[in-house]
Amino acid sequence: DAGVIQSPRHEVTEMGQEVTLRCKPISGHNSLFWYRQTMMRGLELLIYFNNNVPIDDSGMPEDRFSAKMPNASFSTLKIQPSEPRDSAVYFCASSLADTKEQYFGPGTRLTVT
Amino acid sequence: AQSVTQPDIHITVSEGASLELRCNYSYGATPYLFWYVQSPGQGLQLLLKYFSGDTLVQGIKGFEAEFKRSQSSFNLRKPSVHWSDAAEYFCAVESGGFKTIFGAGTRLFVKA
Repeated sequence: DAGVIQSPRHEVTEMGQEVTLRCKPISGHNSLFWYRQTMMRGLELLIYFNNNVPIDDSGMPEDRFSAKMPNASFSTLKIQPSEPRDSAVYFCASSLADTKEQYFGPGTRLTVT
Repeated sequence: AQSVTQPDIHITVSEGASLELRCNYSYGATPYLFWYVQSPGQGLQLLLKYFSGDTLVQGIKGFEAEFKRSQSSFNLRKPSVHWSDAAEYFCAVESGGFKTIFGAGTRLFVKA
């Protein structure tokens, strides 16, 4: 099993640009989570999906952030326009709803200059 | 509101010494509790979980945790720490549905 796959691993972009982060969950998992991790705020849940449906997006900081899960094997997190304060490591995790064990990807380190 | 508190931001222990990382939670019902570990530059990895039953749960890498309902605690322990255990440790509680709340983390340093 390849685990949760995230791309890119590193992203450097200029303020105002659109950023798209990608995630492939573990096959068979039916829940998917997007987190943001910073030194100041720790690990924050942004949004989670169950069976490809967004369940709770209350953690999405503002309208600049959007997430989609068009099918069970792919999700995106988009930031448009990006700002320097969006700089963080973004993690995707997946789980089987019954087990509640989350498997994390390696993360995408985003730097917005 | 549900919350998870890890009172120690960082802890330093000598290699071979025992370890206990503290975790307290606030949750009305019987919680689902987890400990995750994060090594530098990597994602979080599940160490162990508690759902019900025996309050002492065993995990990977020689870790164990004990659920104490009366103290609302779920402390992580290891009898003998190895240098490779140096990492950040997160306690987490599932608050119902699918949402998991993570503590702020405790960074473990291991000295030779």
